[in-house]
Amino acid sequence: GAGVSQSPSNKVTEKGKDVELRCDPISGHTALYWYRQRLGQGLEFLIYFQGNSAPDKSGLPSDRFSAERTGESVSTLTIQRTQQEDSAVYLCASSRTGTATEQFFGPGTRLTVL
Amino acid sequence: GEDVEQSLFLSVREGDSSVINCTYTDSSSTYLYWYKQEPGAGLQLLTYIFSNMDMKQDQRLTVLLNKKDKHLSLRIADTQTGDSAIYFCAERANDYKLSFGAGTTVTVRA
Repeated sequence: GAGVSQSPSNKVTEKGKDVELRCDPISGHTALYWYRQRLGQGLEFLIYFQGNSAPDKSGLPSDRFSAERTGESVSTLTIQRTQQEDSAVYLCASSRTGTATEQFFGPGTRLTVL
Repeated sequence: GEDVEQSLFLSVREGDSSVINCTYTDSSSTYLYWYKQEPGAGLQLLTYIFSNMDMKQDQRLTVLLNKKDKHLSLRIADTQTGDSAIYFCAERANDYKLSFGAGTTVTVRA
């Protein structure tokens, strides 16, 4: 079946603009995660959704970052008033449940803030 | 990422074995993972080991876990050019959150 998909694959924006990144998880996966990967670094956890439970937003770096998920499907990560330090690859992952062993990753969205 | 550390680079000759090392800090980690990332691609799960195991073998991959020293290694036997990639070690301490290392870039030379 289809894997996790993300769009756009690349996004170039100007400092101060808002951006919206989209993630389509694997069908039937109740858990969804957003991570950020800065150049030369590992992945930083941003936010976690599990079913209808309140999301774990503990990894969001500032109040400019927000994310939503509609039921158990698509999620959008929004960054308002982008800054140059927001430049990174944003990766989405999903898993069958929150306690499932494996998280399946999408190809990521490369965000460049000029 | 600062809780999981890996060496940044490894160069290996084709056909030799590669060993990638990782240290972690959270003794309550339940699972430890190795992910592979090829250029322009997302992360692919290679293998994982449960914290009560010492070793796991899967074809050319061998994972060794020293829980006392909080040390994890990945050995790739008969390394091929297709193994050139960035390899990430990750630990899972709670039910769902993964903490990743910065990644080891493996370059396979002919």
